[in-house]
Amino acid sequence: RKEVEQDPGPFNVPEGATVAFNCTYSNSASQSFFWYRQDCRKEPKLLMSVYSSGNEDGRFTAQLNRASQYISLLIRDSKLSDSATYLCVVTLTGTASKLTFGTGTRLQVTL
Amino acid sequence: NAGVTQTPKFQVLKTGQSMTLQCAQDMNHNSMYWYRQDPGMGLRLIYYSASEGTTDKGEVPNGYNVSRLNKREFSLRLESAAPSQTSVYFCASSEVDYSNQPQHFGDGTRLSIL
Repeated sequence: RKEVEQDPGPFNVPEGATVAFNCTYSNSASQSFFWYRQDCRKEPKLLMSVYSSGNEDGRFTAQLNRASQYISLLIRDSKLSDSATYLCVVTLTGTASKLTFGTGTRLQVTL
Repeated sequence: NAGVTQTPKFQVLKTGQSMTLQCAQDMNHNSMYWYRQDPGMGLRLIYYSASEGTTDKGEVPNGYNVSRLNKREFSLRLESAAPSQTSVYFCASSEVDYSNQPQHFGDGTRLSIL
């Protein structure tokens, strides 16, 4: 089983739709969780951290379910500019050198 | 407003050739990282430098060497390139080597080895 698993997609949604992605992780001792965004042929960029109580940043909501070992990302009111690949990132320890990246979920928002 | 700068952006090598990928950051970050990204696989850490003067192996270090030249610069060397090293290479930096610090990535080096 992969340490971090994501549905590769693509998720094709119309502008204005709400879309959600899940990411499962295999190690219950995982400590920190993040979502990164990667545009086609570009570098990854941190989108948001995921906190135990859940957190929101504008149209984006991240949640953590430790019991079922998954994190989720919800995007409301999708924009064309949200089209990208969303990478789930998990770390066992507190150091960045131990980050494990998922392979990503591709989102395509259409008119 | 450069952030993390990688050179070159593209390179084609023949098997057995050597080359060095350069990375420099202007954010006064302590920690720097080299990743590779292959289709169907997540980013994998090759080597990292938690602070100036230290380097450590990551998940896939074989066939690579690194040098933390100073606080700004962290280079990745392929001594004898192999086709399996065809990949997109990303350099990243963070203020410190702690997971709640965002990593800032360069825009990548696309390397093909024939």
